[in-house]
Amino acid sequence: QVKLLESGGGVVQPGMSLRLSCVASGLSLRGFPVHWVRQSPDKGLEWVALMAFHGGSKFYADSVEGRFTISRDHLQNTVFLDMTNLGPEDTALYYCVRYSGVYYDYWGQGTPVTVSS
Amino acid sequence: NVMLIQPLSVSDSPGKTITISCIRSSGSIGDNYVQWYQQRPGSAPNVIIYEDNRRISGVPDRFSGSVDRASNSASLTISGLKSEDEADYYCQIYYDIFHYVFGSGTRVTVL
Repeated sequence: QVKLLESGGGVVQPGMSLRLSCVASGLSLRGFPVHWVRQSPDKGLEWVALMAFHGGSKFYADSVEGRFTISRDHLQNTVFLDMTNLGPEDTALYYCVRYSGVYYDYWGQGTPVTVSS
Repeated sequence: NVMLIQPLSVSDSPGKTITISCIRSSGSIGDNYVQWYQQRPGSAPNVIIYEDNRRISGVPDRFSGSVDRASNSASLTISGLKSEDEADYYCQIYYDIFHYVFGSGTRVTVL
């Protein structure tokens, strides 16, 4: 069965950190860019970050630049999102998504992040 | 930054044809391909249309995409509406260097 499985979400206070993980099974992430996309009721779907397939290039949305870091472990077929200095505006369901180069072809089920005092 | 503006909701009866618009706020709609995603309740989005009007394999031909440069918008048309089409629909583009933008989303209700 082909799937992406995210984990690591939770409820944290403002200013705290979280590390999200995304493990691929039944499909390879090698050779494909992997993105994190989040969804919230007030902002809808919002692109967060991407890592190029070779792992050297990383790009971030302005809203998370300097606070979030994307990384990948090719051997483990896993992608991570390290999130620091979290704020209420980061509350969302976070999806790990494989990008085919034209469209998002595989999505995880999402991991929820709630930032609240 | 570019925004993609969609109607909040569209509804009609089974068998009817509906069209969901996606208006590009700046730049030309023809500059970048438009994708469309369907998201059913409790599930992640799934691509149904890519590169403006290409259907993903397995997507019924009741779904079609188009672009209108005059109105600077893209459209998703669903003909022969079925109850299973109830979902949220999002348009999406990639522009400039690493700008991935989703539309505001449209809730389709089958009456």
